[in-house]
This record gives sequence, structure tokens and C-alpha cells, in this order.
Amino acid sequence: AQTVTQSQPEMSVQEAETVTLSCTYDTSESDYYLFWYKQPPSRQMILVIRQEAYKQQNATENRFSVNFQKAAKSFSLKISDSQLGDAAMYFCAYRSPPYNNNDMRFGAGTRLTVKP
Amino acid sequence: GAVVSQHPSRVICKSGTSVKIECRSLDFQATTMFWYRQFPKKSLMLMATSNEGSKATYEQGVEKDKFLINHASLTLSTLTVTSAHPEDSSFYICSARATANQPQHFGDGTRLSIL
Repeated sequence: AQTVTQSQPEMSVQEAETVTLSCTYDTSESDYYLFWYKQPPSRQMILVIRQEAYKQQNATENRFSVNFQKAAKSFSLKISDSQLGDAAMYFCAYRSPPYNNNDMRFGAGTRLTVKP
Repeated sequence: GAVVSQHPSRVICKSGTSVKIECRSLDFQATTMFWYRQFPKKSLMLMATSNEGSKATYEQGVEKDKFLINHASLTLSTLTVTSAHPEDSSFYICSARATANQPQHFGDGTRLSIL
């Protein structure tokens, strides 16, 4: 079974600074999807960014970007120019390919605090 | 964007009661829906996967008779917690997707409290 590991239970960043959240995963599949979700205190799951494993180019969404290292099975999230509204739990998620279950597994999460 | 509506958002009931939670896809047909459970300050744990018109596939350790899942239409899945007890108190989140290649959209969750 695939596992997703987030080794940083908590992270803190100064407003306007940059922070990187780590995520590693274990899989024998070659075709899969990776995601970062944000869960604020409201507990709504908000998709931040997604990456298809077959794409070598790192995904970017405004201030959010990833460093996808397929060989190392690493998928870190970089948040630039951090804002107070970025404070939340961040979950890394792995999704199997369509031909193999295709369900989504989550890491344990990283709680991000943004200091003014 | 696609919207998934989950109802109720909060429910408090007595031990022994059965509670039904609804998950609806509002603007797309969800062939597959997922049910997750989240304990305080913990991650989302997949409970079961349901495909429209088929029996749900439960994850190991999840009691089928305790957590009844019905996915009778392409826009509605229900999770019924039967004879709920305090240990069933948790945050339950559903998600849905149209096809295997489409994104998975999440509901806003249901906070279940059993007294």
C-alpha cells in the first residue's frame, strides 16, 4: 500500500517570508497524482496544487510551487510571500492511477503558523 | 467549480441513535464517492469507496455493519452510523469525483458528537 509521510508536524514562518513543507511517499506505481491540500480551522479541504507524476515540470499556482523529485519520491511545497491567511493544516496526498483503485491517501499533516 | 454539499454540518445525538450523513454532488455526476474520518489534529483516514450502483468497498478495520454506505444515484451518497456510541464521535468528510481522471472534490464535513 502507498504511504505518505510528512515529517514536520508543525512549521512557522514570518509573514512575507518563504517556507517549504516536506512530503515523501512510497509507491511501486509509475503513474500517479500528488496533491497538497490546505485545511483551515473551518476544516474545509482546499486544493492548493496538484502534480501528475508523468510531468517533469514542477507545478506552480501563484505563490505556491512544488519541488517534485520522482526518483527520490519527494514532493515538497514552497509557499512564497507568506500571508496570514496561509495559516492552516497542510496535507500532502497521493492518488493511485485510474487502473489501480484510484483512491487518495493523506499524510499526517503539517500545521503552518504565520507570524505577523 | 465543482461543488460537493455535505449535510448536516453538525449533529449531536444520544448514544444508540442512528445518524445519516448525506453527500451530494451539485453540478456534476459523481460515479465515485469517498468517505473519510478525521480525528482531532489528525489526518483524513479513508473509510470506504463507493461507486454508483455498487456495494461500497471498505478499508480494513472499518465495520461495514456500523457504517452503512449507500450510493444509489450519481449525485447522492449517504453514510449511516448505526447505533452510534461516543467512540464514533468524529469529523466525517465525503468527497466525490466524476471519473477516474477528474479531480476529487470535498464536502465541508460533518462533526458528529455522540453523548
